[in-house]
Amino acid sequence: EDQVTQSPEALRLQEGESSSLNCSYTVSGLRGLFWYRQDPGKGPEFLFTLYSAGEEKEKERLKATLTKKESFLHITAPKPEDSATYLCAVQARNNDMRFGAGTRLTVKP
Amino acid sequence: DAGVIQSPRHEVTEMGQEVTLRCKPISGHDYLFWYRQTMMRGLELLIYFNNNVPIDDSGMPEDRFSAKMPNASFSTLKIQPSEPRDSAVYFCASSLGGPWGKNIQYFGAGTRLSVL
Repeated sequence: EDQVTQSPEALRLQEGESSSLNCSYTVSGLRGLFWYRQDPGKGPEFLFTLYSAGEEKEKERLKATLTKKESFLHITAPKPEDSATYLCAVQARNNDMRFGAGTRLTVKP
Repeated sequence: DAGVIQSPRHEVTEMGQEVTLRCKPISGHDYLFWYRQTMMRGLELLIYFNNNVPIDDSGMPEDRFSAKMPNASFSTLKIQPSEPRDSAVYFCASSLGGPWGKNIQYFGAGTRLSVL
């Protein structure tokens, strides 16, 4: 069965303290791996799609990378406004979509 | 565009009552998705439509749940009868193009449903 596991469940950082979020997955034929940001009381907001191992994408302080078993979301010099829950999702070859439970990030000023 | 619009934002009902959630997708988008989010199970895809036609409803938990899309600008998710375990946040999303990677899904703000 397809599985997506995110770690840690929660992460508290000081402003400027870089770190990484992990998304481990098992899927029958990866069509794509997605990262979303979700703020309290709002729907998920798309960040990145990665398609194959070795691929990297960047947006401001965020950088997503992909291997055959996991993806990392690196946050460089985070700011308080980066505080949110970050969701990872994988899409299998049959188009089934499975989301991870998310990592709740808090960045303290 | 105002984005994906869902109503109501909050719904409190009693067990056994019918609940109808509504969604207006982004104009021009041809795919519409309904998701459910709970602490226990995370975000789950319930059903999605393409050009108003249901394509995959394998995520719908049981026959108490039904979804319709009578036209390109409106969809409903109905629960009848509702049960306490249906309490969750229900999201609607839309995209231009298929459910696969190149086509970004835009989510609404969600409807928080509480069934007492």
